[in-house]
This record gives sequence, C-alpha cells and structure tokens, in this order.
Amino acid sequence: GAGVSQSPSNKVTEKGKDVELRCDPISGHTALYWYRQSLGQGLEFLIYFQGNSAPDKSGLPSDRFSAERTGGSVSTLTIQRTQQEDSAVYLCASSLVGTGYNEQFFGPGTRLTVL
Amino acid sequence: AQSVSQHNHHVILSEAASLELGCNYSYGGTVNLFWYVQYPGQHLQLLLKYFSGDPLVKGIKGFEAEFIKSKFSFNLRKPSVQWSDTAEYFCAVTTLGAGGTSYGKLTFGQGTILTVHP
Repeated sequence: GAGVSQSPSNKVTEKGKDVELRCDPISGHTALYWYRQSLGQGLEFLIYFQGNSAPDKSGLPSDRFSAERTGGSVSTLTIQRTQQEDSAVYLCASSLVGTGYNEQFFGPGTRLTVL
Repeated sequence: AQSVSQHNHHVILSEAASLELGCNYSYGGTVNLFWYVQYPGQHLQLLLKYFSGDPLVKGIKGFEAEFIKSKFSFNLRKPSVQWSDTAEYFCAVTTLGAGGTSYGKLTFGQGTILTVHP
C-alpha cells in the first residue's frame, strides 16, 4: 500500500513569503506528526494530530507556524513570513494511533529553502 | 524535558567490523526506545524498538540493541557490518505520562552517520 507522501518535495521561497507544506498519511492512521530536520538542531517535533485535533503543539517554534488536518487525513503545515532560519527538511509521520507504542511511518520530507 | 544523546557524530568502519553506536537518554520516568535508520535518499525507517521485557531486542538486518535502565542507555550493535549499512542512525524515545499514556511524539538524538568501506 501507499506510504506517507509529502508535497512539494522541494520548495524555494523568498524571505517574507508564506509557504504551505502538505502531508498525506497512510490511510487509516489516526495519528499524524510533523517534525523538522535542520543542521545544528537535528530532528525536532513540531505538532501532533489525533484525528483533526492537535492536542500537542508544543514544538511549533513561533506563531508564524500553524497546521491543520482535515477529514482525519491530509495535513497542511503553514509557515507565514518565512525567515532564513526556517530552512530545513520538514518531515511528516503517521501511525495507527498516538500512544507511543505504534511505529511511526515517515514521509520523504519537504526541503524548504528560504533565500 | 527529556533529551537523547548519541555519542558519535560520524563512524567509519570496514566491512565485517563490529558496530556499537551509543545512545543515552535523560528522563526519570518510563520510556519507549527506538532506533531509526535513514539510508541515502530514503525515508526514515524503524530499525528496532523496546517497550518492556527482555532488554535485548533484535531488529531488522541483523541489528540488536540493549536497554540498560541503570545507565539510561540503549546502544545499537551489529556483529559484522556491510557496505549496505551505510546510513544515518537515530536513537529516539517517547515518554509515558503519569496516566500511562503518551502521544507518541519522538525525541531524537543528533544522529550518527555510519560509513562502511567495502
């Protein structure tokens, strides 16, 4: 079956522009996570969705970052007024449920470059 | 807050050498432990996991890891590496809250790049 997919695979934008990153989780997975992988910071958790609600947003670095999930499926991560420090690979993962006992399946990531 | 530390940033080995990658975590409560691997150009994928029971766990491709609670460690081992093991390896934990539940968010170590020469 299909794995987690993300789009676009690469995004180059100018400082100050808004960007939207999309994640399609594995069908039937109720838990969805966003992580960020950047030089110097490693892999960091951003936000967790269970269904359409986000009980844990503690990793979002600023109020320029937001995310939503609709229909218990597709999720969009939005970064407003992008800054150069936002440059990173944004990874999405999904699992059956969000209990810590379920394997998270990762997508290929979106590489964001802010000029 | 919990943290995970991986001892080595880059390890270089020849084929057939033995491998041990160190991982220590900092958290006073119950944790679930994972090793993920990212082969060049591929997604992160699960190598092995530990929840409870036998502290020596076996994963895919001949990898194993040992959980030593007293040392807060979860080191990854392989007796004989192959060129195809060249990848970046990440140790990660999820923590269990007081209610015994976890959202499952992963806290990762910095990663160790393993290069195996044929």
